[in-house]
Amino acid sequence: EVQLVESGGGLVQPGGSLRLSCAASGFTFSSYWMHWVRQAPGKGLVWVSRINSDGSTTNYADSVKGRFTISRDNAKNTLYLQMNSLRAEDTAVYYCARDIIADYWGQGTLVTVSS
Amino acid sequence: EIVLTQSPATLSLSPGERATLSCRASQSVRTYLAWYQQKPGQAPRLLIYDASNRATGIPARFSGSGSGTDFTLTISSLEPEDFAVYYCQQRSNWPLTFGPGTKVDIK
Repeated sequence: EVQLVESGGGLVQPGGSLRLSCAASGFTFSSYWMHWVRQAPGKGLVWVSRINSDGSTTNYADSVKGRFTISRDNAKNTLYLQMNSLRAEDTAVYYCARDIIADYWGQGTLVTVSS
Repeated sequence: EIVLTQSPATLSLSPGERATLSCRASQSVRTYLAWYQQKPGQAPRLLIYDASNRATGIPARFSGSGSGTDFTLTISSLEPEDFAVYYCQQRSNWPLTFGPGTKVDIK
């Protein structure tokens, strides 16, 4: 069974940093693109970043470029999102999703940026 | 950035009725269009990918059609568990984008 489990969310002050993790199981992690998507409270879905199977290609939304870094450890079957210089508008539930068609999603982890 | 527009914003229907949801792209996305269902407090669930392909485990009452800029998600006969928000999403160009969603609620 495919499982994606996010962790690392929490309350952080503006300007702070946080690292999210997404632990994958039930499939060959190293064969798939992976994504981060976020959803602000009561709002729609927004793509944040994606990474190819070996980590050599990454893309970012303009709103996070230069502040967020996506990475992966295929030996640990884990996807990461390093978030620096956090702003109030980064407050959202962050989901990881599998494959170019985002066929499986984790349950999400809430990031709250507030003083 | 490709902008996706969904209509209507809300669709009020009864169980057993047919639901037709529309998604329009600001430029051609070929057939790289997906549909997701999201219920409150849950992650999105992939229903349709590449315009017309049902994802694994998705019931046959869900179907997708279209190409280029105009797409449709049809639910042939609404079941109680189908009342939710539906999002379209394109993967033709980066950044990948979602539409604002259509809420299907109980009439």
